[in-house]
Amino acid sequence: EAGVAQSPRYKIIEKRQSVAFWCNPISGHATLYWYQQILGQGPKLLIQFQNNGVVDDSQLPKDRFSAERLKGVDSTLKIQPAKLEDSAVYLCASSLEVVNTEAFFGQGTRLTVV
Amino acid sequence: DAKTTQPNSMESNEEEPVHLPCNHSTISGTDYIHWYRQLPSQGPEYVIHGLTSNVNNRMASLAIAEDRKSSTLILHRATLRDAAVYYCILRDHQAGTYKYIFGTGTRLKVLA
Repeated sequence: EAGVAQSPRYKIIEKRQSVAFWCNPISGHATLYWYQQILGQGPKLLIQFQNNGVVDDSQLPKDRFSAERLKGVDSTLKIQPAKLEDSAVYLCASSLEVVNTEAFFGQGTRLTVV
Repeated sequence: DAKTTQPNSMESNEEEPVHLPCNHSTISGTDYIHWYRQLPSQGPEYVIHGLTSNVNNRMASLAIAEDRKSSTLILHRATLRDAAVYYCILRDHQAGTYKYIFGTGTRLKVLA
C-alpha cells in the first residue's frame, strides 16, 4: 500500500514570498489533516478535511494560510505571504474515515523562511 | 481538548523493557488513548490505542489504569530503532472532528 506522498521535501523562500505544499493521501482515505511542526515541538493541527469539506480549521492563520482539497483527494496548503516564524515541517496525514483509529503521516515538507 | 502529561525524556538499555508513562487526569469517558511515535526526520507513526482494557499488538502493549487517569506504553525489548519521540494523545470519539492533539512527547534514548 502506497503511503501519504508530499512534495516538495524541502523549500527555502524569502519572507513575504508565497509557497505551496502538495499532499496525495492514501487511496480511499476520506479524512486528511495538515499539521505544522516547529523544531522541538509536537505537531500542531492546522486543518482537517472530511472528503472535500473542512471539518476543523480553528488553528489555521487564515490571513496568510489557505488549504483546499479538490474532489476529496489531493490537497494543497498555501502560505502567502510567508513570515520567518512559518519555518517548520508541514505534515500531511490521512485516515480511512474520521472515526478510524489510525492516521498515516507523510514525511513532511521542511520549510525555511529567510 | 483533554490534556496529557509525559516526561520530556527517558533512557533505556537495548533489549530491556521500557515503560513510558502518560498522565491524563481530565480524560472523559469517550476519550480513546492513542500512542504515536516519531522517528528522526519522519512523520509520526501509529503505535497502539485503547479505551479501557489493556491492549497488545506486534509493536507494544498499552496498560490503562483502572480509573483511566493514566496509561503506560510498554516496549517489551527496546532496540536502537525504537529511539524516537513518543506521543500520548487523547482522541474524543464523540466530538465532531476526532482530531489528534499532540503534546511535546517523551524522547526515548536507547543505549547500546
